Amino acid sequence: AQKITQTQPGMFVQEKEAVTLDCTYDTSDQSYGLFWYKQPSSGEMIFLIYQGSYDEQNATEGRYSLNFQKARKSANLVISASQLGDSAMYFCAMPYWRAGGTSYGKLTFGQGTILTVHP
Amino acid sequence: NAGVTQTPKFQVLKTGQSMTLQCAQDMNHNSMYWYRQDPGMGLRLIYYSASEGTTDKGEVPNGYNVSRLNKREFSLRLESAAPSQTSVYFCASSQTGVPYEQYFGPGTRLTVT
Repeated sequence: AQKITQTQPGMFVQEKEAVTLDCTYDTSDQSYGLFWYKQPSSGEMIFLIYQGSYDEQNATEGRYSLNFQKARKSANLVISASQLGDSAMYFCAMPYWRAGGTSYGKLTFGQGTILTVHP
Repeated sequence: NAGVTQTPKFQVLKTGQSMTLQCAQDMNHNSMYWYRQDPGMGLRLIYYSASEGTTDKGEVPNGYNVSRLNKREFSLRLESAAPSQTSVYFCASSQTGVPYEQYFGPGTRLTVT
C-alpha cells in the first residue's frame, strides 16, 4: 500500500515571495510518480505538475516546480513569486502502478495544505 | 469542449433514499473515477473504471455501486443513503497507461439527513 503525507495543514506567504509545500510518500514500487493538484475555494481540482521517479531533472511548469528527493521520499512543491490567486488547498497525490509498469491511474491523495497569500 | 460534467451539483437526501450521480466526459478517455472528499481531507477513491466494460473497487466502495454505461459515461449509485455519505463527490477521467493527469468534474455536494 502506498501512503502520502502532507504535514502542513496551513501555510502563509507574502505576495511575490516563494513558498514550499511539503509532501512525503511511502511506496514499495520501484517506479512511481507524484502529482500536485490545486483546489481553489470554488472547489474544482486543477492539475499543476507531475514527475516520475525515473525523471532525472525536477519538473517545472511556469511558477511551479517539484523538488523531488527520492532518498528522503519527498516531493515538495515550490511556488515562486506567489500571487493572491495562489490562495487555495494544495494536494499531493500518487498514482497506483500495476506490476509491469502500467498504471491504472487511480490516485492516493494526501490530506492537503491550505495556502494563504497575503498582499 | 465541456471536459468532465457532473449532475446534479447539489443534492439533499433523507436517510434510506437512493440516488444516482451522473458523470460524462468528452475527451475520449478510457479511464474514469469516482472520489469523495470529506471536510479537511484529501480525495478518496470509491470506484474506478480502467476501460469501458470494466469497473473495480477503490479505497471506500461500501454503500456504492457504479455503472460504466459507455465510454463517455460513468454513474455512481447510492442505494440506501446514510449520513456518513454526506460528502463532495468528484468524477474524473484520464487516458490509460503511463500516469496521465486526471481531469476532474466540478463536484456534487451531497447532504444526507
